[in-house]
Amino acid sequence: DQQVKQNSPSLSVQEGRISILNCDYTNSMFDYFLWYKKYPAEGPTFLISISSIKDKNEDGRFTVFLNKSAKHLSLHIVPSQPGDSAVYFCAATYNDMRFGAGTRLTVKP
Amino acid sequence: NAGVTQTPKFQVLKTGQSMTLQCAQDMNHEYMSWYRQDPGMGLRLIHYSVGAGITDQGEVPNGYNVSRSTTEDFPLRLLSAAPSQTSVYFCASSLWTGKGEAFFGQGTRLTVV
Repeated sequence: DQQVKQNSPSLSVQEGRISILNCDYTNSMFDYFLWYKKYPAEGPTFLISISSIKDKNEDGRFTVFLNKSAKHLSLHIVPSQPGDSAVYFCAATYNDMRFGAGTRLTVKP
Repeated sequence: NAGVTQTPKFQVLKTGQSMTLQCAQDMNHEYMSWYRQDPGMGLRLIHYSVGAGITDQGEVPNGYNVSRSTTEDFPLRLLSAAPSQTSVYFCASSLWTGKGEAFFGQGTRLTVV
């Protein structure tokens, strides 16, 4: 039973537009959330995180929003660039780190 | 600046064979973990360790053993490989237990025939 869910396997957006990736979780004990980016044949790399005591965190073009009551978080990328094309994993932590299934983002020039 | 190093990068095993996937980190991180990545399943936690001498099971521990004799090393052992263990395996480490940024190795692609 996956505790972290990414229900969109893929997303395609035009360069310059906003990309919104969504993630839902079921375990209310999770208190820290992260997004990772993964290119083929490489390990995931950390992108941005948010503590459960916050509802928003920004880092340049990347913003993560957390809605604790809905057990939902999202990653916004503005503006999207072709180099952002990758698989994005949502992760949530308590005593360990659990991941969603990932969303493949394609940014078209 | 090696970070997290996994060996080997590729491996083919016959059903029933055993092998050890190696993982080493040079960042003095206490927390280390093993994941497997399968299509449509994302990254699933196999085992993790919060420090030398301490290990615990994750989501999918069956068929795998781990030990943590040093802070640096966290090997993953397959005692009797099965085709269902065909996957890409990632080792990760982080400074705190389950918190903060985790650093991943490059992965080991394992095929069991």
